[in-house]
Amino acid sequence: NAGVTQTPKFRVLKTGQSMTLLCAQDMNHEYMYWYRQDPGMGLRLIHYSVGEGTTAKGEVPDGYNVSRLKKQNFLLGLESAAPSQTSVYFCASSTRGGKNEQFFGPGTRLTVL
Amino acid sequence: KNQVEQSPQSLIILEGKNCTLQCNYTVSPFSNLRWYKQDTGRGPVSLTIMTFSENTKSNGRYTATLDADTKQSSLHITASQLSDSASYICVVSTDSWGKFQFGAGTQVVVTP
Repeated sequence: NAGVTQTPKFRVLKTGQSMTLLCAQDMNHEYMYWYRQDPGMGLRLIHYSVGEGTTAKGEVPDGYNVSRLKKQNFLLGLESAAPSQTSVYFCASSTRGGKNEQFFGPGTRLTVL
Repeated sequence: KNQVEQSPQSLIILEGKNCTLQCNYTVSPFSNLRWYKQDTGRGPVSLTIMTFSENTKSNGRYTATLDADTKQSSLHITASQLSDSASYICVVSTDSWGKFQFGAGTQVVVTP
């Protein structure tokens, strides 16, 4: 089991460029999440999905879009990158119900110039 | 204002010593509280998860406590090792599907 994987690991963008971050999990989890982590702050939820074909906004969704066309994949898109989106992005997945133990990916470090 | 506050922000301890990290939360309703360990450059990894009815949970040298009445939790590290150097994050879940509030973390450095 690879667990939760993220692609790419690092990326540098210029302001206004677009990109897609890919998250894949092989644990058959229903729930998937995208977070960003900034220095001195806790992880903040961008978007989440409670099942294939469904997505919802989290705490900081502006400037991002997501899609969950397959149960195992959760994509995070930046349509027009801004320097404020410079951050480390983490994907996570969890089972439905119970204690919802979350499993995190290794992160994607994104720099927007 | 963050609803999950952790203290101290950072600490340095000698290898072999014990330490205790604190987490105070105002999140409501409460479903469960978890502690994560995050090594530099990696994603968080779950250490313990406690529900309302559990007031202590251990994972090896890590012991978490929870006082749901005072909304406080602590993470005790026993006989610290160099590999314990990491950020420790307190997370409170507010409902059954998994809405989480994350603390900013406590950075622990274990020195030889």
